[in-house]
Amino acid sequence: DQQVKQNSPSLSVQEGRISILNCDYTNSMFDYFLWYKKYPAEGPTFLISISSIKDKNEDGRFTVFLNKSAKHLSLHIVPSQPGDSAVYFCAARLSRNTPLVFGKGTRLSVIA
Amino acid sequence: NAGVTQTPKFRVLKTGQSMTLLCAQDMNHEYMYWYRQDPGMGLRLIHYSVGEGTTAKGEVPDGYNVSRLKKQNFLLGLESAAPSQTSVYFCASRGQVNHEQYFGPGTRLTVT
Repeated sequence: DQQVKQNSPSLSVQEGRISILNCDYTNSMFDYFLWYKKYPAEGPTFLISISSIKDKNEDGRFTVFLNKSAKHLSLHIVPSQPGDSAVYFCAARLSRNTPLVFGKGTRLSVIA
Repeated sequence: NAGVTQTPKFRVLKTGQSMTLLCAQDMNHEYMYWYRQDPGMGLRLIHYSVGEGTTAKGEVPDGYNVSRLKKQNFLLGLESAAPSQTSVYFCASRGQVNHEQYFGPGTRLTVT
């Protein structure tokens, strides 16, 4: 039973526009959510995170929104750049001592 | 400061052969993890460790064993490789304070 779901396997966006990647989760006890970015033939790299006590966290072009009542979070990239083309993984954890649970990923393609 | 390194980068095994994947981190992290990534499946946790001398099972532990004899190293063993273990394997580590995991570059394993 998948606890973290990324229902869109792929997304294509034009350069300069907004990219919105979505993630749904089933366990209301998750206390932290993270987004990772992965280029081909490389390991995932941490992008941005949000605590369950917040509803928004911003870092440059990247903003993560958390809607706890809907058990939904989203990653906004504005403006999108060709270098943002990668697979994005949503992840969540139950507590500090538990491993992250990952979604299946969304492949973002930013078209110049 | 190399971060998380994985050895080897590529390997081809015949069914029934054994091998050990080595993960090393130089960040003095307590937590270490082994994931596998398969097309359409995201990152699935195989085993993890919360400290030197400890190991625990993840989501897909069957067919794998691990050891954490030294804090900086986390070994993943395949005693009798099967074609279903063809995958890309990622190691990750995390400190006690931070919530993000740092990933290695991956090991691409093919079992024929």
